[in-house]
Amino acid sequence: GESVGLHLPTLSVQEGDNSIINCAYSNSASDYFIWYKQESGKGPQFIIDIRSNMDKRQGQRVTVLLNKTVKHLSLQIAATQPGDSAVYFCAENTRARDVANAGGTSYGKLTFGQGTILTVHP
Amino acid sequence: NAGVTQTPKFRVLKTGQSMTLLCAQDMNHEYMYWYRQDPGMGLRLIHYSVGEGTTAKGEVPDGYNVSRLKKQNFLLGLESAAPSQTSVYFCASSYSWTSGNTDTQYFGPGTRLTVL
Repeated sequence: GESVGLHLPTLSVQEGDNSIINCAYSNSASDYFIWYKQESGKGPQFIIDIRSNMDKRQGQRVTVLLNKTVKHLSLQIAATQPGDSAVYFCAENTRARDVANAGGTSYGKLTFGQGTILTVHP
Repeated sequence: NAGVTQTPKFRVLKTGQSMTLLCAQDMNHEYMYWYRQDPGMGLRLIHYSVGEGTTAKGEVPDGYNVSRLKKQNFLLGLESAAPSQTSVYFCASSYSWTSGNTDTQYFGPGTRLTVL
């Protein structure tokens, strides 16, 4: 059967607080990073992205910080709301050249982290 | 725009049965992907396509086949379903990175498949 030994990290916050979700990535060649939000029963939804030549990028209520030295990514959500409750995934994108299967065509190979469960209490 | 759509939303199969999952996107994206999501495993790439008429293997391709006859559609087939293929399947699409656009992948709502 499937492994159930891996439990996702969880973060519980009160409505109105700021949330920080952390992610460690593995490939120093990754040049593009994305945060996705996944609500129960839905597909991952794009939140914000950042390229490797930046260390900070801000969106509406969200900020992504990138520390390439320690290969760490974080997502900050300001004034967290109950509607922010979801699983948050970071993903690293690496330019991969698939010689064997696609004739050397380059594509964005997206590697996902396991996710963090954010629960916002009213 | 509907974005990325998937059919069906749910399906239950018996071991050995076959089925096809359909993915459609209306964003004129070049690239399309099929992932499976299992508890504690994150999303894993099954197959992908870099354009109409092309397909390639991803991380976990065994037991699956795909076809991309039209740019907007990407089909995932299970020829002989096994209980290990019980999972949630997500389709995604993106622009080609060579087009100058970001290659952010946009996901469909998923298909929940159970193989008994």
